[in-house]
Amino acid sequence: KQEVTQIPAALSVPEGENLVLNCSFTDSAIYNLQWFRQDPGKGLTSLLLIQSSQREQTSGRLNASLDKSSGRSTLYIAASQPGDSATYLCAVNNYGQNFVFGPGTRLSVLP
Amino acid sequence: NAGVMQNPRHLVRRRGQEARLRCSPMKGHSHVYWYRQLPEEGLKFMVYLQKENIIDESGMPKERFSAEFPKEGPSILRIQQVVRGDSAAYFCASSLKENEKLFFGSGTQLSVL
Repeated sequence: KQEVTQIPAALSVPEGENLVLNCSFTDSAIYNLQWFRQDPGKGLTSLLLIQSSQREQTSGRLNASLDKSSGRSTLYIAASQPGDSATYLCAVNNYGQNFVFGPGTRLSVLP
Repeated sequence: NAGVMQNPRHLVRRRGQEARLRCSPMKGHSHVYWYRQLPEEGLKFMVYLQKENIIDESGMPKERFSAEFPKEGPSILRIQQVVRGDSAAYFCASSLKENEKLFFGSGTQLSVL
């Protein structure tokens, strides 16, 4: 059974810092992995999806990497802004099964 | 191109009543997923449907909960005889193909009094 954890649970940084969010999963035979952000009281917004054959994906200031063998993915946010404050979730998909979500990292970027 | 639409946004029910949550997937998407989120917790999978078929309902309680995705119209998550423990945010997601990128609705916040 796939289990997903995220470290840290919460993170507070000053504006402008680069930061890394971590996601770990127990079953490395994944099909793809997706990063989302969730604003309070809102739904989830997809940020990046990495296929199992890929090592990383980039979108603007965001870069997600995937290391299947070690069961890890990282989300790198460059030059953080207050608007980046949200909860970031990773979700792992093993083919034929459903996306399993981590508990999320709550990010606060202070102006 | 509208995204995933969920309604109502907020739903208040008294214990014992029925709750019906609706989800219209993105245009062209035939795969629908329902998730539940409790305060300060992650999303828990409930059920996965394709048009007219339930593919995986392993995350859905066996009693009082049911889901459908008819040929025409939105997907419906139905909770009968609601209890206080059913209070949560219920999210619907859709995808173009199985195991591909998920797009989420804004959720329905169910409150059981």
